Parts: sequence; structure tokens; C-alpha cells
Amino acid sequence: EPEVTQTPSHQVTQMGQEVILRCVPISNHLYFYWYRQILGQKVEFLVSFYNNEISEKSEIFDDQFSVERPDGSNFTLKIRSTKLEDSAMYFCASSDEDTQYFGPGTRLTVL
Amino acid sequence: AQSVTQLGSHVSVSEGALVLLRCNYSSSVPPYLFWYVQYPNQGLQLLLKYTSAATLVKGINGFEAEFKKSETSFHLTKPSAHMSDAAEYFCAVSLYSGNTPLVFGKGTRLSVIA
Repeated sequence: EPEVTQTPSHQVTQMGQEVILRCVPISNHLYFYWYRQILGQKVEFLVSFYNNEISEKSEIFDDQFSVERPDGSNFTLKIRSTKLEDSAMYFCASSDEDTQYFGPGTRLTVL
Repeated sequence: AQSVTQLGSHVSVSEGALVLLRCNYSSSVPPYLFWYVQYPNQGLQLLLKYTSAATLVKGINGFEAEFKKSETSFHLTKPSAHMSDAAEYFCAVSLYSGNTPLVFGKGTRLSVIA
């Protein structure tokens, strides 16, 4: 069964450094998303991407964040200058017509 | 704006007992509703979804949920709990289609006691 994959599973970085989280969505899906879950809190929407552009973004998704689909298969989330409060589990998702399927997540730890 | 409330951050049941996890939503338009499960150190797995077809929805692992518009509820049930059901369960809502951003509840941790 096709699944969404994410790399790395765990990323540790120093505050102020740039990180790139990678995702490979399910191959025939057209909608892509990033969500995050801060430890002990609810899963929150960050951004959605369709037809090579951002379709929606939350207030969390400020200028420090960017997304890209560089090669037709990967979908990346870049955080330009990480802050301590960016520490969270980041989930990628892709969807067919009516259901979003999630990857296993990348745990980002900012020191 | 839509929102989801999950009553009870932690539910504990005995093995073989009924599982009932509560979810209430608010939405200005007919919603799409989902239950996801998260096992320890894993991602979110879709359990079941309501997309305006049958109000009683059957999912994986013996779970089902009933959409009740009058009560704005989408409670998750399973007749007989199994040890392997221990996990975190999230209710989520989206508007217009399953492709719009999901709004999640805070989650309910289910413990199953032998």
C-alpha cells in the first residue's frame, strides 16, 4: 500500500540554523500539507500546496517558513532560522479527492 | 471557523469492554469528519471518515463512528477493546472537502487494562 515517507525521522539543530524537512507524498496525490505537533499539544495546520503553489497557510507559517516541490516527487519544508519554539513533530500529508494521509513525522529538536 | 472538542484527555477501559471516545464539532457548513489514531512513536493513521454519505461509518480494526448532525457529534466506538487499541485518538474536521486544512481536537489517550 502506498504511503507518505519523511526524512529524517529525528533532526537536532542549534537555534538560528536552517533546517529542511523532506517528504515523499503518495505518487498520484495532488494536494500536499505540513502540520506540526508541539509536545503535549494538538496537531496544527501549517500550509497546504497545490499546483506548485501555496493554497492556504496558517498564521504559524510566517516568513521563516517556506515550502517547495523541487523535483516532482519530494515536498520540503524549510525553516530559515530555527527558534526554540519550533521544536515539534512535523507531519507531512498528501491527499486524494477527500482524505489526507500522513507520514510518520520528523521530530525536530532545537537546542 | 470550525473547531473540535474531544471530551476526556484520557480514557481507560478493561480489555473486552466497550470503547467510547467523544468528539463534538462546530462548523458553519456540512463538515467532513475524520478519526485518526497515533500509536507510540508513530504517525497518524486514518481510522475512518465521514464525507456526507452514510451517517454510520465503519473503519479499520473494528471501530465505527456515527455522525449526528442534531448533536454535532461524531463519537468513536468499538464493542470490545483489545490491548492493541491503546493509542492516542484524534478527531478532525475539514470544510467543503477532505482537501481543505484539517482542524484537530486535542486527542484522547486510550488505555486498555488487562
